[in-house]
Amino acid sequence: DAGITQSPRHKVTETGTPVTLRCHQTENHRYMYWYRQDPGHGLRLIHYSYGVKDTDKGEVSDGYSVSRSKTEDFLLTLESATSSQTSVYFCAISESLGAGVETQYFGPGTRLLVL
Amino acid sequence: TQLLEQSPQFLSIQEGENLTVYCNSSSVFSSLQWYRQEPGEGPVLLVTVVTGGEVKKLKRLTFQFGDARKDSSLHITAAQPGDTGLYLCAGGKWSNTGKLIFGQGTTLQVKP
Repeated sequence: DAGITQSPRHKVTETGTPVTLRCHQTENHRYMYWYRQDPGHGLRLIHYSYGVKDTDKGEVSDGYSVSRSKTEDFLLTLESATSSQTSVYFCAISESLGAGVETQYFGPGTRLLVL
Repeated sequence: TQLLEQSPQFLSIQEGENLTVYCNSSSVFSSLQWYRQEPGEGPVLLVTVVTGGEVKKLKRLTFQFGDARKDSSLHITAAQPGDTGLYLCAGGKWSNTGKLIFGQGTTLQVKP
């Protein structure tokens, strides 16, 4: 258990509304990630963070923004939700195994439905 | 684009059978991780292999990292219904970002 929680766990919203998902970790990990998981596409990286206020884009970042004002919290915002953003969102942290090898641990996920 | 291809994508077997899932790439990885995911939950790390040719065993599950660090396999002996789930492989690169490249996953159903 890497001490990762996500909130909310389920969310239903309407097209055009802003949505913020929260990821909270308790073990002071430097790297945090947001993924979306959709049938046929596997896990796709949206954004990641390598420290407080340090973030970068992943492969599917359009329509999403992130913020990290504290080590323990990584927020994902959909500025204006669209139906194509209906998905399951996972947060992850990375833990070093040494020698440049990292492994990731995942939160329980947030199921988002955009109507 | 670096890809990890998993095969098969779907597998439905009877309890007690053996199976192997493959994860292949043309890229070299610093590590290869395997996850299992059950419906409504996040992926759970099963194992990380970091040395070419490495073999790790976790009860009835055997994981192997290819000698060239481009491929991996997961073998399950005497599968049980509790093994049912989505199996994901993910490759790491030598970098300071910790990013992983994920395969598409293998959905395994073990029937009692």
